[in-house]
Amino acid sequence: AQKVTQAQTEISVVEKEDVTLDCVYETRDTTYYLFWYKQPPSGELVFLIRRNSFDEQNEISGRYSWNFQKSTSSFNFTITASQVVDSAVYFCALSEGFSNSGYALNFGKGTSLLVTP
Amino acid sequence: DGGITQSPKYLFRKEGQNVTLSCEQNLNHDAMYWYRQDPGQGLRLIYYSQIVNDFQKGDIAEGYSVSREKKESFPLTVTSAQKNPTAFYLCASSTRDSGNTIYFGEGSWLTVV
Repeated sequence: AQKVTQAQTEISVVEKEDVTLDCVYETRDTTYYLFWYKQPPSGELVFLIRRNSFDEQNEISGRYSWNFQKSTSSFNFTITASQVVDSAVYFCALSEGFSNSGYALNFGKGTSLLVTP
Repeated sequence: DGGITQSPKYLFRKEGQNVTLSCEQNLNHDAMYWYRQDPGQGLRLIYYSQIVNDFQKGDIAEGYSVSREKKESFPLTVTSAQKNPTAFYLCASSTRDSGNTIYFGEGSWLTVV
């Protein structure tokens, strides 16, 4: 069963627009961790943020912000005033603590963001 | 610089041949992972290792093999038994000291010709 759902396959915005990437997760664990990664065209996955299940405070880092809501099992990512350099594929991922797969991540299928000038 | 190094970046394989992808990390991380990425599929776990001389199968281990003889090294062999090996392969590592956040290498592209 899909544990992480990123319903938006592709998003295209014009530079300076705000954009929100959605992530919905599924888990029965009370302790878990949520992540966002960025994958630019070069291919490397860049870690953006890690959130544990006990911390529902929203996070802001420059133009990036994250909204974690346990009530809706969502961990959405917003880019404010988007820039061309934000163009990439963004992955949401879930780690259910130590499990049969160690601390490995369950990834969503990713959202491809294209920011045009 | 500290990080995860994968080599080669690009690799071409003839059908029926085994190939080995290298992954080295100097982060002193205990755990290492191999993921496979196909277009539109996200990342899927192949193998992982929590400590030296121990490793476990992930979701798609068939046709792959690994070894963990040293803490810093976790090579992946794509065997001829893997029917559809063309993909992007990502190596990663983590440690409890960093909250088990997984960090990735730059990846290796494997193409079967």
